[in-house]
Amino acid sequence: AQSVTQLDSQVPVFEEAPVELRCNYSSSVSVYLFWYVQYPNQGLQLLLKYLSGSTLVKGINGFEAEFNKSQTSFHLRKPSVHISDTAEYFCAVRLLNYGGSQGNLIFGKGTKLSVKP
Amino acid sequence: GAGVSQSPSNKVTEKGKDVELRCDPISGHTALYWYRQSLGQGLEFLIYFQGNSAPDKSGLPSDRFSAERTGGSVSTLTIQRTQQEDSAVYLCASSPQGAGEQYFGPGTRLTVT
Repeated sequence: AQSVTQLDSQVPVFEEAPVELRCNYSSSVSVYLFWYVQYPNQGLQLLLKYLSGSTLVKGINGFEAEFNKSQTSFHLRKPSVHISDTAEYFCAVRLLNYGGSQGNLIFGKGTKLSVKP
Repeated sequence: GAGVSQSPSNKVTEKGKDVELRCDPISGHTALYWYRQSLGQGLEFLIYFQGNSAPDKSGLPSDRFSAERTGGSVSTLTIQRTQQEDSAVYLCASSPQGAGEQYFGPGTRLTVT
């Protein structure tokens, strides 16, 4: 069965420090990969996506992620975080098969990033 | 432009009552999705509409849940005979034809007392 694992449920970090939020997936078919961010009491906002091409993708707010097919990973990174980056981050995959729920996203459990001054 | 909108933003209902949740997708988006977000289960897929095709209902947790999409636009998620375990945030998303990503609304927080 397909699954997404976010290895850290909570990540505390000081302002201006670098951060990496880890994501691994399991799938027998090719996938699209996404990171979404959720601020308190809000919906999900797309940070970045990998559909094809370069494995290093850049998103909004200075975030980037690298797709590693051999390790089935899609870790999210930012070189210097701000207080405003405090939020919950979700990794998600969309399967590229042609049966069943091929359209929906499968989400990880989320990582709460807490940026401290 | 306008994003995905959902109403109501909050709904409190008594156990056993029926509720309807509404989603207005981004204009022109052909695909519409419903997800449920709860503390114990995380983000779960419920149902998916793509154009005029039959919806994919594989994520609906029970036959108390149903959804429809009228005119290829607005969608309503109905939960009959609500139970306390239905308490969650219900998120709607839409996607244009051929796109990988989905755009989410702000959600409806449902509380069943």
